Amino acid sequence: EAGVTQFPSHSVIEKGQTVTLRCDPISGHDNLYWYRRVMGKEIKFLLHFVKESKQDESGMPNNRFLAERTGGTYSTLKVQPAELEDSGVYFCASSQVYSGNSPLHFGNGTRLTVT
Amino acid sequence: GDSVTQMEGPVTLSEEAFLTINCTYTATGYPSLFWYVQYPGEGLQLLLKATKADDKGSNKGFEATYRKETTSFHLEKGSVQVSDSAVYFCALSDPTGGFKTIFGAGTRLFVKA
Repeated sequence: EAGVTQFPSHSVIEKGQTVTLRCDPISGHDNLYWYRRVMGKEIKFLLHFVKESKQDESGMPNNRFLAERTGGTYSTLKVQPAELEDSGVYFCASSQVYSGNSPLHFGNGTRLTVT
Repeated sequence: GDSVTQMEGPVTLSEEAFLTINCTYTATGYPSLFWYVQYPGEGLQLLLKATKADDKGSNKGFEATYRKETTSFHLEKGSVQVSDSAVYFCALSDPTGGFKTIFGAGTRLFVKA
């Protein structure tokens, strides 16, 4: 089975520009998560989709971040306008079941650098 | 809120040395505990898990025991290999937190031949 794929793997943009990250979860996984790791610190939760609905978006930093999952398949995370502190690695993960015992399947991440 | 604290790295060991990476947690409920590993250039992957107190998770020679009394889930391996060089993340999933997975900061391990 194909794993979680993320695109692009790297993105370098200037402050004030817009960037859109994409995540394709494992086929059949209704649960999709976005996480972010900044400067070697802990991996922080951003939000969780169940199919196309946002189950929990409590980790979204501010309204410059917009996540969508139209049709309940792939998801996009848009940052507009980007700020320096948005730099980091953005991970997408998916799981089939929504429970505390279900491990997350991660993509390789998108490394975002805002200059 | 829930949190995970793990020892800072990097940890540098010689091949065949004993490994311990400490992890402690705070949680409102009774969480499941996980160790994830990230090899260079790859995403995180589950290494092992434990879902209740005194459970021992194990995989690829790594072990961790869920200690409720000390709120710890330390990762151990008796003899590390160069191929174990990676970043290791301790994590928890708490039902009272909506099963959101909370991660520690990660510990980078270097194993020298």
